[in-house]
Amino acid sequence: GQNIDQPTEMTATEGAIVQINCTYQTSGFNGLFWYQQHAGEAPTFLSYNVLDGLEEKGRFSSFLSRSKGYSYLLLKELQMKDSASYLCAVMDSNYQLIWGAGTKLIIKP
Amino acid sequence: GAVVSQHPSRVICKSGTSVKIECRSLDFQATTMFWYRQFPKQSLMLMATSNEGSKATYEQGVEKDKFLINHASLTLSTLTVTSAHPEDSSFYICSARALSGGDTDTQYFGPGTRLTVL
Repeated sequence: GQNIDQPTEMTATEGAIVQINCTYQTSGFNGLFWYQQHAGEAPTFLSYNVLDGLEEKGRFSSFLSRSKGYSYLLLKELQMKDSASYLCAVMDSNYQLIWGAGTKLIIKP
Repeated sequence: GAVVSQHPSRVICKSGTSVKIECRSLDFQATTMFWYRQFPKQSLMLMATSNEGSKATYEQGVEKDKFLINHASLTLSTLTVTSAHPEDSSFYICSARALSGGDTDTQYFGPGTRLTVL
């Protein structure tokens, strides 16, 4: 079956760095998405990786290794507003999105 | 874990026809289901929120007469795109929020339905 795994919850300190991992097993691969979702709001697009490597966008970076079925989202210089759920989703060979359950990130002062 | 399915996964229709998309929570009951529209590499745009047994709440700018939502049971919500036009072509995603037990704030997302209107 298809599966996306990411940690349920992580805690980090304001100003620090945190890495949220995502591993996947899907039938085919057409890209991996990271979204940020604050409680009660729609998911906000953060990144899309389809080739191996690191993509940096400001304080957020996303890494992909297709051979390992692995991605991570790296958040630097954490701010309190970064407290949210982070969703990993993979688009399979049928262009369907397979979603992880999300990682709830708690930022402490 | 909780599973949400959508049917169909993709649909191609002619302009002017209506298309129904189903969203089902397979192993849990959902008090609330959400319908989103996604454009490539962009954030999910919330279209409407539906609660079982009551009328859906539509976001500003979303035509309720064009996008009909029916949340008939705790496991099924449907989105009907009426008189579809090419500009309605998009990827529609639903999510469901659990009734009780565990984290009731967690939304579980469906795999999406790709609609193409010719």
